[in-house]
Amino acid sequence: EAQVTQNPRYLITVTGKKLTVTCSQNMNHEYMSWYRQDPGLGLRQIYYSMNVEVTDKGDVPEGYKVSRKEKRNFPLILESPSPNQTSLYFCASSGWNQPQHFGDGTRLSIL
Amino acid sequence: GDSVTQMEGPVTLSEEAFLTINCTYTATGYPSLFWYVQYPGEGLQLLLKATKADDKGSNKGFEATYRKETTSFHLEKGSVQVSDSAVYFCALSDTGFQKLVFGTGTRLLVSP
Repeated sequence: EAQVTQNPRYLITVTGKKLTVTCSQNMNHEYMSWYRQDPGLGLRQIYYSMNVEVTDKGDVPEGYKVSRKEKRNFPLILESPSPNQTSLYFCASSGWNQPQHFGDGTRLSIL
Repeated sequence: GDSVTQMEGPVTLSEEAFLTINCTYTATGYPSLFWYVQYPGEGLQLLLKATKADDKGSNKGFEATYRKETTSFHLEKGSVQVSDSAVYFCALSDTGFQKLVFGTGTRLLVSP
C-alpha cells in the first residue's frame, strides 16, 4: 500500500530537548516536504527536498532542520524546541507533476 | 506572493443539503488548483484537482471548476452526507505540484 509514515504520532516534551520526527515514503517519490498546521493559518511549508541531498527552506523554516540522505526518508529535526513550535506537523511526498500524498500527522506539544 | 482565501467555518448543514465552500486565489502565473479533505485524526487526502482554466475536477460527488476570470475554485456537492463532515482545504501550486499554498481550511459539520 502506498503511504507516507510519520513517527511519532503524538509527543509531549519540554523546551530545549532535541527531538526528531521521522517521515518515510514507499512510493519512490523525488519530492518530500514538511508542513505545520496551526488554527486559522492553514498549512505552511517548513522545508522541502527535491531529491537526495537537495533541501531548501519553505515559508517558516526557523528553528527546524531537515536531511535527505536516502530517497525514502526525510526527518524533521528540532534542535532546541520552543513552545511556539507546538503544532500539528505533516510530511508529504510526490513525484514530478503529481499531487502530494500526506502522512497522518504528528502532534507536538512543547512545554 | 501567491495566496488562497477560503470562507470561514464552520459550515453546518443537514444531511442531503447543497454544499458550497468558496475559494478564491491570487497567483502570478497559471497555478494548478486543489481541494484536500482532512477527516478527524487523519492526514490530508486529495479530493479533486484542476490544472487549467475551465477544467472541472470531480470526485465522490464533489465538483469544482477552475474560473480564471473570477480567480475562484468553489467546492460544491449536491447532497451532503454525515460522512462528509471534515475540514476542507483549498490549495494552489505553481511549480510542478511541488509547493502547495493552502487556505485556512473550512470545517463542515453535517447532521442527520
